[in-house]
Amino acid sequence: GAVVSQHPSWVICKSGTSVKIECRSLDFQATTMFWYRQFPKQSLMLMATSNEGSKATYEQGVEKDKFLINHASLTLSTLTVTSAHPEDSSFYICSTRDRLDYEQYFGPGTRLTVT
Amino acid sequence: GQNIDQPTEMTATEGAIVQINCTYQTSGFNGLFWYQQHAGEAPTFLSYNVLDGLEEKGRFSSFLSRSKGYSYLLLKELQMKDSASYLCALTSGTYKYIFGTGTRLKVLA
Repeated sequence: GAVVSQHPSWVICKSGTSVKIECRSLDFQATTMFWYRQFPKQSLMLMATSNEGSKATYEQGVEKDKFLINHASLTLSTLTVTSAHPEDSSFYICSTRDRLDYEQYFGPGTRLTVT
Repeated sequence: GQNIDQPTEMTATEGAIVQINCTYQTSGFNGLFWYQQHAGEAPTFLSYNVLDGLEEKGRFSSFLSRSKGYSYLLLKELQMKDSASYLCALTSGTYKYIFGTGTRLKVLA
């Protein structure tokens, strides 16, 4: 399966600041990446689908101006949480999709804590 | 719309067999995945069902009935390391995953 990395693995920031999370596909070109958010003891919630060279598609209820997604290359997608608030504290996970089937490969996740 | 339900928590004993159910309602269906997730880590792939029936892979098996909107994951010879969350996810018409509520499994010695 594909190898996906995320950076940073954890970050603490102050309320009102912005945080950028990187998701890299290390061994294949990913035209599509997905961003998820996971609160403690809950399942993964899809936030948006990131498409290389075009705008991301956001799920209902996710503020696109707050969660900025950029997918400028076939190996890198970034999620920027702007003007972060404590309620944005969560585990953010990205994934890439195998072009040949439906399986997704997940990154190790980024733990964001907003103080 | 889509709705996917799983039991929230289950407890089983080391060496036993446990079945984790996943029921769903969806307007379209492409396939159903099962993932294992340890706390603070990324989900790891366990199985994928497209057609009805049982898929076996070592200690793990997954069953699908599309007409009933039902799947289960069967874990045999439970080990302590199997304590984790188990997530079912389905795809329907797009490549997006819709995850179930997740089941936290605790394996006791």
